[in-house]
Amino acid sequence: QAGLTQPPSVSKGLGQTATLTCTGNSNNVGNQGAAWLQQHRGHPPKLLFYRDNIRPSGISETFSTSRSGNTASLTITGLQPEDEADYYCSAWDSSLSAWVFGGGTKLTVL
Amino acid sequence: QLQLQESGPGLVKPSETLSLTCNVSGGSISSSNYYWGWIRQPPGKGLEWIGSRYYVGSVYYNPSLKSRVTISVDTSKNHLSLSLRSVTAGDTAVYYCVKSIVAGAPFDQWGQGTLVAVSS
Repeated sequence: QAGLTQPPSVSKGLGQTATLTCTGNSNNVGNQGAAWLQQHRGHPPKLLFYRDNIRPSGISETFSTSRSGNTASLTITGLQPEDEADYYCSAWDSSLSAWVFGGGTKLTVL
Repeated sequence: QLQLQESGPGLVKPSETLSLTCNVSGGSISSSNYYWGWIRQPPGKGLEWIGSRYYVGSVYYNPSLKSRVTISVDTSKNHLSLSLRSVTAGDTAVYYCVKSIVAGAPFDQWGQGTLVAVSS
């Protein structure tokens, strides 16, 4: 199954801004947009955004998203220790009729 | 407040069938507003979608697992089930039950997950 591509790791300093990317194709990210999930160690993932930029209630506005073609991005401003987590993107693939995930990006806040 | 709770054996032998149940509480699995599914995560690795379904009708499976997996709904018990046949060590993972909103947020709610190890 074709998955989405995410960088394995990103490291940024406290208070800085991190931008995580997710690359798919015209059947998934480019068509349906991406969802983003955050997972802290030992916990289930939590949905941050869906359809590119729809934020469920309770998600901090320090998180934002964008998309250019087949690449979606998640930006986190003013990094805090609690932002250290694994971040996954996902999209519905219309050619596979399946949800696909990226391999995840481990964000380290220095 | 809707809650999801997975249950099932923590150890399954190779070539046997992995069977898990997700109990849905605080809401109806028969709601036309939701669809339900399973996602797994091997230890130290990323997320893999297994499949999703409405309480009746449409079912979608990961193409790589489709030949071995069945996801079913028991409306009388208000629970979701997962059956994965002919398991190997590669099926060792934390299995999550997830809820999504029809024409809305995917995977907006998760169970705590249950670890299933495949080993003789």
